[in-house]
Amino acid sequence: GQQVMQIPQYQHVQEGEDFTTYCNSSTTLSNIQWYKQRPGGHPVFLIQLVKSGEVKKQKRLTFQFGEAKKNSSLHITATQTTDVGTYFCAGPLKAAGNKLTFGGGTRVLVKP
Amino acid sequence: NAGVTQTPKFQVLKTGQSMTLQCAQDMNHNSMYWYRQDPGMGLRLIYYSASEGTTDKGEVPNGYNVSRLNKREFSLRLESAAPSQTSVYFCASSAGMGNYEQYFGPGTRLTVT
Repeated sequence: GQQVMQIPQYQHVQEGEDFTTYCNSSTTLSNIQWYKQRPGGHPVFLIQLVKSGEVKKQKRLTFQFGEAKKNSSLHITATQTTDVGTYFCAGPLKAAGNKLTFGGGTRVLVKP
Repeated sequence: NAGVTQTPKFQVLKTGQSMTLQCAQDMNHNSMYWYRQDPGMGLRLIYYSASEGTTDKGEVPNGYNVSRLNKREFSLRLESAAPSQTSVYFCASSAGMGNYEQYFGPGTRLTVT
């Protein structure tokens, strides 16, 4: 069935290094959203991408929406301990009545 | 502007007990949701309300019921709690379905013994 998948499930990063996490949908999405959940906290909306090939930056975070609007990536440069948490992507799936469907998340651990 | 509020923050139940989780939003949002998140896992949708007066099942509705009391409030009821319902429960709201960002409450940590 239609779903939203994220890889990797876990990401161990040395402080100061860069990394990328990926989000893939089985179908074309009208938009993709990214959320961050700090340990013990609740998901917080980060950004929404709407256009094919769109790239948006938030300080050290770069978000990209694929040309086919079926995948997205989040790239973090110079990782800091404040980046620890789980990053979720989410998109509206037609099979789910256009409800926002969340991926399983990438859990980021930073080694100081 | 408090956003999304949930009560209680923590709850311990014995198997078979019932309880209602309360959620309210002050952003005049049309849509509201209930999710559960098990340790180290993602978010699973239990029920949602696309607009005032409507409710629909999500991915994991068994053992739960909901009430959209008015535009602001959306409650989740566990009629007969089971240990498998031990989880963190998040309420969320959005202006509409699909194309709008969701705002989450702080969560209710429920343990069923």
